[in-house]
Amino acid sequence: AQSVTQPDIHITVSEGASLELRCNYSYGATPYLFWYVQSPGQGLQLLLKYFSGDTLVQGIKGFEAEFKRSQSSFNLRKPSVHWSDAAEYFCAVMDSSYKLIFGSGTRLLVRP
Amino acid sequence: DTGVSQDPRHKITKRGQNVTFRCDPISEHNRLYWYRQTLGQGPEFLTYFQNEAQLEKSRLLSDRFSAERPKGSFSTLEIQRTEQGDSAMYLCASSLQGQYDGEAFFGQGTRLTVV
Repeated sequence: AQSVTQPDIHITVSEGASLELRCNYSYGATPYLFWYVQSPGQGLQLLLKYFSGDTLVQGIKGFEAEFKRSQSSFNLRKPSVHWSDAAEYFCAVMDSSYKLIFGSGTRLLVRP
Repeated sequence: DTGVSQDPRHKITKRGQNVTFRCDPISEHNRLYWYRQTLGQGPEFLTYFQNEAQLEKSRLLSDRFSAERPKGSFSTLEIQRTEQGDSAMYLCASSLQGQYDGEAFFGQGTRLTVV
């Protein structure tokens, strides 16, 4: 069965520091992978997606993610975190019926 | 187009009452999804429509839950005889069948509290 694991429940970084959020997936075929961000009480906003091609994908707000098939990973990165990046981040894989299977999320806290 | 909209944003109801939520997808999107999100968890799939046809329902969707999408436009999700365990955020998403299958856009959700 398809699944997504986000091993870090919380991550705290200082403003200006770099960020990497981990995501591992389990899926038999070539995965379609997504990162979404959710601010408190809000819906989900798409940060970036991987369908095929270049394994390093660029997203909005300065985020990027790298697809590594050999590691079944799709980690999200940002070189310099801003206080406004504090939110919950969800990794997801799309299954064969086009629905998303989400990880449990990583809450990002940003220290001033 | 202003994106996916959901109504109401918040709903407080007494246990045993029925509630109905509405989702208006992005106008040209033919796929519509409902998800449920409980505190500290990622969204879980509930059901999915392609146009007006309900193509898949999760085992999470008990017989107290029903969803419709008449005419392939807006959708409603009804919960009958609500229970405290139904308290959650209910998220709607829509997508367009085509090159970017699966690129779903989410509404802001309806937060249900059952007291």
